[in-house]
Amino acid sequence: DVKVTQSSRYLVKRTGEKVFLECVQDMDHENMFWYRQDPGLGLRLIYFSYDVKMKEKGDIPEGYSVSREKKERFSLILESASTNQTSMYLCASSPQGNEQFFGPGTRLTVL
Amino acid sequence: GQNIDQPTEMTATEGAIVQINCTYQTSGFNGLFWYQQHAGEAPTFLSYNVLDGLEEKGRFSSFLSRSKGYSYLLLKELQMKDSASYLCAVKGRALDNDYKLSFGAGTTVTVRA
Repeated sequence: DVKVTQSSRYLVKRTGEKVFLECVQDMDHENMFWYRQDPGLGLRLIYFSYDVKMKEKGDIPEGYSVSREKKERFSLILESASTNQTSMYLCASSPQGNEQFFGPGTRLTVL
Repeated sequence: GQNIDQPTEMTATEGAIVQINCTYQTSGFNGLFWYQQHAGEAPTFLSYNVLDGLEEKGRFSSFLSRSKGYSYLLLKELQMKDSASYLCAVKGRALDNDYKLSFGAGTTVTVRA
């Protein structure tokens, strides 16, 4: 079975802190994705990566950056956390062109 | 860009049938996914349609009409465990080697005894 893991299920940070969310997949997938999910808005794509060291902006990249130094790991970085970044963050991976497999999510609260 | 619409909520009785509609307007179309998401959990894959017609998988079926920009997910013989959010997602071509998914806001289905 494909396994996508995220470093934390719940995280509480303060405004202005730098936040790292880690995602690891064990199926050698080329593509990895970071979404945020908010009530009434569904999943919105923040960044994605189709290869090591490659990254592309999604629909809402502002306030975020990413890093993909190894194929299995895709990190989302909030340079200076703000309250409007309180959300559920979901990581996903997929082989080329196929379904995406999601991690369990990280519920981030920024106070 | 992508514009994907689905109803916010639906309620049905155990054993009944529910049909969740999804309409989309997209700048590029390369297939449509349905995912199921239970509260507090990750979305899990249900179905994928790339050609017109009906795909059946046990109690769940999914239909696609590309000319109408329309899909539906049909849940038959509803069970209490089917209470969840159902997400419609359209696959577009972003780059030669990658396929982005654009998601609708999700339909929350509540199954009553």
